[in-house]
Amino acid sequence: DTGVSQDPRHKITKRGQNVTFRCDPISEHNRLYWYRQTLGQGPEFLTYFQNEAQLEKSRLLSDRFSAERPKGSFSTLEIQRTEQGDSAMYLCASSFGTSGSSYNEQFFGPGTRLTVL
Amino acid sequence: AQSVTQLDSHVSVSEGTPVLLRCNYSSSYSPSLFWYVQHPNKGLQLLLKYTSAATLVKGINGFEAEFKKSETSFHLTKPSAHMSDAAEYFCVVSMDTGRRALTFGSGTRLQVQP
Repeated sequence: DTGVSQDPRHKITKRGQNVTFRCDPISEHNRLYWYRQTLGQGPEFLTYFQNEAQLEKSRLLSDRFSAERPKGSFSTLEIQRTEQGDSAMYLCASSFGTSGSSYNEQFFGPGTRLTVL
Repeated sequence: AQSVTQLDSHVSVSEGTPVLLRCNYSSSYSPSLFWYVQHPNKGLQLLLKYTSAATLVKGINGFEAEFKKSETSFHLTKPSAHMSDAAEYFCVVSMDTGRRALTFGSGTRLQVQP
């Protein structure tokens, strides 16, 4: 399967612990996105990378959240000092785009479901 | 600012009958509009997209949507529902200004009764 993969698929943690999620995009895709989806809602944008550069961050991304994409390949999303409100599905998507293109189809991974007890 | 409103949180139809999922958008710029489908335990899948070409857009699995600028609508339709269409559907907008993020609606859960 050459789609977007995410690991782990499920994570249960206690409040105050740190967690890290990984996303492996489609290999030729230069853009990578993180979204968060809470129960009964649509996904909400968190952050976006083009190659290794983090170009945009949502106000939802508090200082407890950090994302990296070293070498422009896989990405990690870390949440420090987790809170119960962080419980959600964290989705990763990737796409290929050039500087002149505004639209590019985003391909989504299956997500990581985080439960904070 | 951009936003999408999905007018129905749940829609239930009988197998073989038409499907209509309603979506209205708000955007200050010329938008790109999409419908994504999410089956349980599976990733979001693109059904169709509108990017300022033809206003009637055909997608996968027999779905289509019509962009109506005067009504700021982008409703999703299918002539005949199949049991496998049962899923969550999201209307999505992307501004045509270089911003890459997608803005999702809150979703419509489609149930298909036998």
